[in-house]
Formats: sequence, C-alpha cells, structure tokens
Amino acid sequence: DAGVIQSPRHEVTEMGQEVTLRCKPISGHNSLFWYRQTMMRGLELLIYFNNNVPIDDSGMPEDRFSAKMPNASFSTLKIQPSEPRDSAVYFCASRPIAGGPGGELFFGEGSRLTVL
Amino acid sequence: AQSVTQLDSQVPVFEEAPVELRCNYSSSVSVYLFWYVQYPNQGLQLLLKYLSGSTLVKGINGFEAEFNKSQTSFHLRKPSVHISDTAEYFCAVSGSQGGSEKLVFGKGTKLTVNP
Repeated sequence: DAGVIQSPRHEVTEMGQEVTLRCKPISGHNSLFWYRQTMMRGLELLIYFNNNVPIDDSGMPEDRFSAKMPNASFSTLKIQPSEPRDSAVYFCASRPIAGGPGGELFFGEGSRLTVL
Repeated sequence: AQSVTQLDSQVPVFEEAPVELRCNYSSSVSVYLFWYVQYPNQGLQLLLKYLSGSTLVKGINGFEAEFNKSQTSFHLRKPSVHISDTAEYFCAVSGSQGGSEKLVFGKGTKLTVNP
C-alpha cells in the first residue's frame, strides 16, 4: 500500500514567492496533520484536520500560512509570501480517527523548503 | 496542554553497548506516550507506544521503554545497539481523552552508534 505522499520533496524559492506543498494521506485515514521541523524548534504541529475539517490551527505561525483539505485524499499547505525564516522540512501525517489519540501517525517523507 | 523534554540532544555510543534515551513529559491529564524514529531524509516511524496496562512496553528493533507516572518519564532503552540504530529519536505525548488528539513531540535525541 502507498504511504503518505508529499510533493514536492524539495523546493527552493525566493523570498516573496508563493509556495504550495501537497499531501495525499493514506486511503481510509480521515485525520491529517501538518508539522514543521527545524533545528531550532524541532517538530511543531501547524494544523490538523478530521474528516476534512480543520480542528486546530493554533500552530499556524501567521496569516501568511494557510491550509486546506478539499477532499479526503488531498491537502495543501500554502505560504504567501514566503520568507527565509520559513525554511524548514514540512511533514504531512495521517491516521484513522477511529484509533483516537492513541493511534499511530503515519508520516510522509517531507517537503524540504528553502527560501532564499 | 502537554509538553515533552528530551534531556539529551546527542548520544554517542559504541556498537553493542546499551543505550538509554531520556524523556520527561508534563501534562494535567492522563496521557498516551510514544517514541518515533527518524532515519536521515525520511519521515518518522513509530517505535513503540504506551496506552495503558503494563508500564514496560516493547517495540520494534529490540527497543523498549518504561512508563513511570511518579517521575513523569518514559525513557527508551536498548541493551545492545547496532550501527543501523543511528538515527534521531523523538518522544511524543498526547492526551488520552477525546478532544486531545494533538501529538506533541520533544526536540529529539540524535543517537550515533560508532564501530
């Protein structure tokens, strides 16, 4: 079975440009999480969805960040405009809601973003 | 809210030596605890988890962890490490009740196994 699929794997862009990161969760998983990983701050939860509905976006750093989940098999994280401090690895993860908070999170391989 | 402290950012050990990676958590509610591993340029994978019951939890690749409620700790151990165990290890916590689905991670411990 395919795991969580993220694209692009690597993105290099210039400050001020719009960046869109994409995620396809594992089929049947109806909880989806976006994390950001940096050396300084470690893994931070940005936002998570249950059944395509955003439940908690308190980790979204500022208005430049937005996330959507238009259907059960696709989610995007958009940064507009991007800044150098947004450089990080962004991970998408999914799990079935039925497993509750004790369920295993399945991670994608991440999207490494570099903003020059 | 929950938080996690991983006391060591880097742990170097020699092959076949035992290792312990330390994790302490803070929470006002009962919790579930996890250890995940991240190999270079990959996502995180679950090593083991504690939900309830026996406080000693066994996971994949010979790792185990012990939940200690009084010390709010969940340390990860392996009696004999291999070169292939070189990776970054993350302790994580979530609330065990409905509405507390967020998984909060520690900052990670880089384990380097030397020959």
